Amino acid sequence: ELKVEQNPLFLSMQEGKNYTIYCNYSTTSDRLYWYRQDPGKSLESLFVLLSNGAVKQEGRLMASLDTKARLSTLHITAAVHDLSATYFCAVDSPNQGAQKLVFGQGTRLTINP
Amino acid sequence: DGGITQSPKYLFRKEGQNVTLSCEQNLNHDAMYWYRQDPGQGLRLIYYSQIVNDFQKGDIAEGYSVSREKKESFPLTVTSAQKNPTAFYLCASSVDGGWIREQYFGPGTRLTVT
Repeated sequence: ELKVEQNPLFLSMQEGKNYTIYCNYSTTSDRLYWYRQDPGKSLESLFVLLSNGAVKQEGRLMASLDTKARLSTLHITAAVHDLSATYFCAVDSPNQGAQKLVFGQGTRLTINP
Repeated sequence: DGGITQSPKYLFRKEGQNVTLSCEQNLNHDAMYWYRQDPGQGLRLIYYSQIVNDFQKGDIAEGYSVSREKKESFPLTVTSAQKNPTAFYLCASSVDGGWIREQYFGPGTRLTVT
């Protein structure tokens, strides 16, 4: 059974600082997704990582994937308040046909002025 | 505009009543999904459908039912057998097949049962 674990689950940081959220998963998969969720809202797609060594960047966020280590990271550079949200990683389960995503628990990020 | 709509946004029901949540998409996606989210938790898969008139149970299907009579629509019924129905329900869709298979989410329905 595929399990996905994120850490930390809660992160409070100051504006201008850098930090990394980690996403570990338990079985082979080479498709990983990062989503953002604002309070009371739906999920917004941030990154789709499709192969080992994939790196994608959007503004102050950068995501990477190491399929051999079964690890993805979401790095935040020089954080700003607008990045406060809950971030989820999701892994595509190794199942032919249907795409069944297994989500991590989420990392609630609070960025303080 | 292409997208996924869910209605209603908020829903209140008495215990023992069945309730149906609507999900419609105009993205021409084959696959549709229903997730449940509890406060402070990740998403858990209830049901999914890859094609019209076919659907599969997810990880927490007990107490729920679905139908897929049209490609655009995937309604979810929360039955009285669901012991803890109060939650935030999210519908999603994706292109079935292909390599990326990114899921797109609707705005969600917050169900409160008292």
